[in-house]
Amino acid sequence: EPEVTQTPSHQVTQMGQEVILRCVPISNHLYFYWYRQILGQKVEFLVSFYNNEISEKSEIFDDQFSVERPDGSNFTLKIRSTKLEDSAMYFCASSEGTDRNYGYTFGSGTRLTVV
Amino acid sequence: GDSVTQMEGPVTLSEEAFLTINCTYTATGYPSLFWYVQYPGEGLQLLLKATKADDKGSNKGFEATYRKETTSFHLEKGSVQVSDSAVYFCALRPSGGSYIPTFGRGTSLIVHP
Repeated sequence: EPEVTQTPSHQVTQMGQEVILRCVPISNHLYFYWYRQILGQKVEFLVSFYNNEISEKSEIFDDQFSVERPDGSNFTLKIRSTKLEDSAMYFCASSEGTDRNYGYTFGSGTRLTVV
Repeated sequence: GDSVTQMEGPVTLSEEAFLTINCTYTATGYPSLFWYVQYPGEGLQLLLKATKADDKGSNKGFEATYRKETTSFHLEKGSVQVSDSAVYFCALRPSGGSYIPTFGRGTSLIVHP
């Protein structure tokens, strides 16, 4: 069964450093997303991406964050100047379309720890 | 804005027990409702969905019925197994405007032999 692949599974970084989280969505999916889950809290939407541009973003997704699809397969989330409160599990997801009948396929997540 | 509220976990059951995980939502219109499951070390997987009132989603012995009158989408299973131990997330997708799903906090289920 097709799956969304995320790397690395765990990233530890020092406060102030930049990190890049990587995702390979399902090949025929057109819509890509990043979510995060701070430990014990709800899964929060960060950003959606379609046709090589951001289609929607939450208030969490400020200038510290950026996304990119550098080639035909990867979808990356960059966090500049990480803060302690950026520590969370980051999930990438993809979907075939935006029709509300579609579910998402999620990756297994990257656990980011900022120290 | 839209929101999803799930019961606090963990829910701890013995094998073959009946499972209910409550989920209620707040949204305008007629959102689609979903349950996702996250097994240890894996990503969220779509478990079941319902797209209109009174629809019942079902998969792998799990069921949930879209109740518009109570704005609920409770997950049930008649006889749980140890392999059902996971975190379960309720989610909704709006019926208009933004198509971005809103998730609950997740409910951890632990099933003992």
